Amino acid sequence: DAGVIQSPRHEVTEMGQEVTLRCKPISGHDYLFWYRQTMMRGLELLIYFNNNVPIDDSGMPEDRFSAKMPNASFSTLKIQPSEPRDSAVYFCASSPSGYQPQHFGDGTRLSIL
Amino acid sequence: GQQVMQIPQYQHVQEGEDFTTYCNSSTTLSNIQWYKQRPGGHPVFLIQLVKSGEVKKQKRLTFQFGEAKKNSSLHITATQTTDVGTYFCAGDNNNDMRFGAGTRLTVKP
Repeated sequence: DAGVIQSPRHEVTEMGQEVTLRCKPISGHDYLFWYRQTMMRGLELLIYFNNNVPIDDSGMPEDRFSAKMPNASFSTLKIQPSEPRDSAVYFCASSPSGYQPQHFGDGTRLSIL
Repeated sequence: GQQVMQIPQYQHVQEGEDFTTYCNSSTTLSNIQWYKQRPGGHPVFLIQLVKSGEVKKQKRLTFQFGEAKKNSSLHITATQTTDVGTYFCAGDNNNDMRFGAGTRLTVKP
């Protein structure tokens, strides 16, 4: 039973570069969430989708961040241009509904130099 | 929007001691979930509480949901080194699930 799949697992890039994080949710899950985790700020909800439609993006830090879900099996989180303060672990999670448990991917550890 | 506050932020215990983390919401919750994140890992779902006053147990872990459905607690009896990690609560208010900041537990052998 495949869980939530995120890629890449690790990304190191220089500031100013575009970064794209990818997520494949569990099949049949209607909700997809993007989180950012740092020591200072903890686990932050960035955006979530219901049936591929963005519902709440109030957690997206600024215009440099964008997220898309072109279909039920794929989502991307893009940072352009990246900055050192974007360094964090980014998690994608999915759930069958808004109130059922979320299943997290292994995360992408992002380092911006 | 709703907020979920969790305390304490950190807890360091001696192996064998008990541990409790508390979660409080600014709004009445439909349900509350608890997750555990091991160091270097991702949050993993532990349990969901739905009913007012509900108590559930998983071995040494006891989960409670307050009568007003605004607070919850997780209690670990006789901690072990395998309990190390960050424990998160997540409160649902009409399909809007929000995570608390988490309590990081360290256990000294």
